[in-house]
Amino acid sequence: SQQGEEDPQALSIQEGENATMNCSYKTSINNLQWYRQNSGRGLVHLILIRSNEREKHSGRLRVTLDTSKKSSSLLITASRAADTASYFCATVSTSGTYKYIFGTGTRLKVLA
Amino acid sequence: EAGVTQFPSHSVIEKGQTVTLRCDPISGHDNLYWYRRVMGKEIKFLLHFVKESKQDESGMPNNRFLAERTGGTYSTLKVQPAELEDSGVYFCASSQVRANTGELFFGEGSRLTVL
Repeated sequence: SQQGEEDPQALSIQEGENATMNCSYKTSINNLQWYRQNSGRGLVHLILIRSNEREKHSGRLRVTLDTSKKSSSLLITASRAADTASYFCATVSTSGTYKYIFGTGTRLKVLA
Repeated sequence: EAGVTQFPSHSVIEKGQTVTLRCDPISGHDNLYWYRRVMGKEIKFLLHFVKESKQDESGMPNNRFLAERTGGTYSTLKVQPAELEDSGVYFCASSQVRANTGELFFGEGSRLTVL
């Protein structure tokens, strides 16, 4: 089974609020990445955090990684209607071949 | 620079028919991946090419699925014969560097509906 599990499955917030979504995984990882998918489109890379990093920022995005708990969170601050999309975490394992494992995603809806 | 392109964007076929999906990665990207998403479930890994070689095909569901990447450029994914459970969105992604440092660039997907 896929190891990336995002939580919550769906999230609805008002514009201007912060959105937090979580990702749990099972194996040791080299890095963890977050992607966004707008409806009917392909996935777009947002941010990458390496296993030796604990926090990373990019614009309104903040990602944390806790390797002891095998979990990551993505925080979107001051959300906008344009942030409405599905968000996926992807992990790259330290062992085996270099395949990215995605989860089921979090559907975020930002209400204007 | 052109992104990852996939064709067709949508295909509707009858059970038992054959469908071939095509992916053109970004020029110069050695890594090419196929993924599938079925009915809002996880985006499931199918296989990974490095140039023309299959690096990992552990996610291929069964022998009805055949992926090729002749010459290390574009790739095709053939489903023959198609079954109802093959319906879903098939994504292709490519990257230039080894996965431990690189982001994936995705196409917009090919939606397959098997009736």
